[in-house]
This record gives sequence, C-alpha cells and structure tokens, in this order.
Amino acid sequence: GQQLNQSPQSMFIQEGEDVSMNCTSSSIFNTWLWYKQDPGEGPVLLIALYKAGELTSNGRLTAQFGITRKDSFLNISASIPSDVGIYFCAGQRGDYKLSFGAGTTVTVRA
Amino acid sequence: NAGVTQTPKFQVLKTGQSMTLQCAQDMNHNSMYWYRQDPGMGLRLIYYSASEGTTDKGEVPNGYNVSRLNKREFSLRLESAAPSQTSVYFCASREGGVTLHFGNGTRLTVT
Repeated sequence: GQQLNQSPQSMFIQEGEDVSMNCTSSSIFNTWLWYKQDPGEGPVLLIALYKAGELTSNGRLTAQFGITRKDSFLNISASIPSDVGIYFCAGQRGDYKLSFGAGTTVTVRA
Repeated sequence: NAGVTQTPKFQVLKTGQSMTLQCAQDMNHNSMYWYRQDPGMGLRLIYYSASEGTTDKGEVPNGYNVSRLNKREFSLRLESAAPSQTSVYFCASREGGVTLHFGNGTRLTVT
C-alpha cells in the first residue's frame, strides 16, 4: 500500500484548545478521509474530502484536501474531553483501496 | 441495527494453533474487508471481497485465508498462528462510495 505519513504521532489537549494534525503522501489520492477510533471500538468516518482544495467542516472539525492531492489536515476547534481517541487519515485511489496513516493519539493533558 | 459484528472480541492462541475470526454485516453491503491494526502501523489490509464469491489479497495476506460465505459473512482464518499475528483485527464493509463501516475488532494474542 501507499505510505502515508501522519503527524504528530501523539498530542495532549487541554479543554478549549484548538489542535491540528496532518497527513502527507508521496502519491496522489482522489479522496482523503479522516476517521476517529474510540477505545475498544472500530474507526468511524468523520470527514470525507473529494477534490483538491476542498475545505469541509463537521461540527468543530474542519479538514482540507491539499492542492497537490498529496496531503490533508484536520483541525479540531475548542477541544472537549470526548475528543480523545486515535485519529486516522486515509487516502483512496481510483481502485477504491484505502491506505491508512499510523494515527494520531489524542489524550487529555492532566 | 447491528452494523458489522465480529466474534470473538478477545482470543489467546498458542503458536501453531488455528482459529477463524467471524464477521457479519446486516447492511446488505457488497464489499467486505479484513484489516489488522498494530501500534505505529495504522490499519493494513489483509484480504478483501468486492462481492459475494470473490476474494483478493491486500497488503499483508501471508499466513491468512478468507471465505466469503455469503453476502453477509466474511471470515478470516489463521491456519497456524504465529506471534507476529498478535494484533487487533477489524472487519469492515461498504457499498460503493468511501464510507467503510468497521466492527469493534478482535484482539488476538499469540504466545
């Protein structure tokens, strides 16, 4: 599969903070996706992006499909405790196979 | 509406033992997938089935076999488990589009 580089690997959030994470690839994708995984559960789709430059929001989440089609970022505004979990980016080519990033683990700063 | 159901939730095997991970979906989806999730590696595709009666290898198929029993069910078999197969296994399904629906995973430990 294609290699996706997701960063940061982990982050601590304080309630109310804005946080961001991104994903880059050496290959072009037709679709970028962002998933969230809560402990003990499977990933759930948060946002899907279908064209270069697209900026899409889902509540406090905003994601963008990079102009080069090789990157994407996800922002979370005004963090709340239930934002903790693992966030995965995924890229899809025309053959409908997904390549996933390694994930960004978000935890609450004590 | 159960979505994607995986059994068992947890399993411990000794090296060389075999087992089958079960997956069923009630959304009438054509495509089904098996992924493994390892720390720092994201989700890697083991096998997929684009439709009933077809199966294809993904990125990491070695050591696994699959069966698309019918439209609802897609099982993953480990014939001779190895410690390297210790992982969390996720089944997923979808119907066209991009939205993969995942099960809650099977946590497998091979000692």
